Amino acid sequence: GQNIDQPTEMTATEGAIVQINCTYQTSGFNGLFWYQQHAGEAPTFLSYNVLDGLEEKGRFSSFLSRSKGYSYLLLKELQMKDSASYLCAVRGDDYKLSFGAGTTVTVRA
Amino acid sequence: ETGVTQTPRHLVMGMTNKKSLKCEQHLGHNAMYWYKQSAKKPLELMFVYSLEERVENNSVPSRFSPECPNSSHLFLHLHTLQPEDSALYLCASSQGDRNNSPLHFGNGTRLTVT
Repeated sequence: GQNIDQPTEMTATEGAIVQINCTYQTSGFNGLFWYQQHAGEAPTFLSYNVLDGLEEKGRFSSFLSRSKGYSYLLLKELQMKDSASYLCAVRGDDYKLSFGAGTTVTVRA
Repeated sequence: ETGVTQTPRHLVMGMTNKKSLKCEQHLGHNAMYWYKQSAKKPLELMFVYSLEERVENNSVPSRFSPECPNSSHLFLHLHTLQPEDSALYLCASSQGDRNNSPLHFGNGTRLTVT
């Protein structure tokens, strides 16, 4: 089976930086995705990593280490609108996406 | 606007009712999915259709019955559900033959079984 772990909740202050970690144990690896989901809305795609290293997209960056089964999503210059759930998902050798339970990030003023 | 539209947004049904959830994608994708999302739990994959053929049925009870009449439309027919089936049901689509193709989700149907 697939096992994907991420913290349940994180709180940070507006303007700060937050790092959401994700560890995974899966049958094979064909990429790791991060999604953002606001309450009552669809999950939306943030980033995709398949090779080791850092991918940067504006205020959001995602890092992958395949040998450690580890990824993180880095949110910089936090804004109130970044309060949401962040989902880590891994595509295994069956090409299906398996999701973690999500990390709820609360940004305080 | 995600390119994936689900109706209805909210549904309350009794255990003896029959209802259907509808999903439509406008992205030209060739794969469609049903996921169940319960509070504090990972998204659970229910069904996958690729090129209108069902390629995955993740041990879902027969009271859930999917239908994919074409590559743009997906239905989930519900009958004799249980209260524990109350959850957010998400439809998604992707370009199924590309590893880096992300899932595009609809806003979901919030289902309550009474």
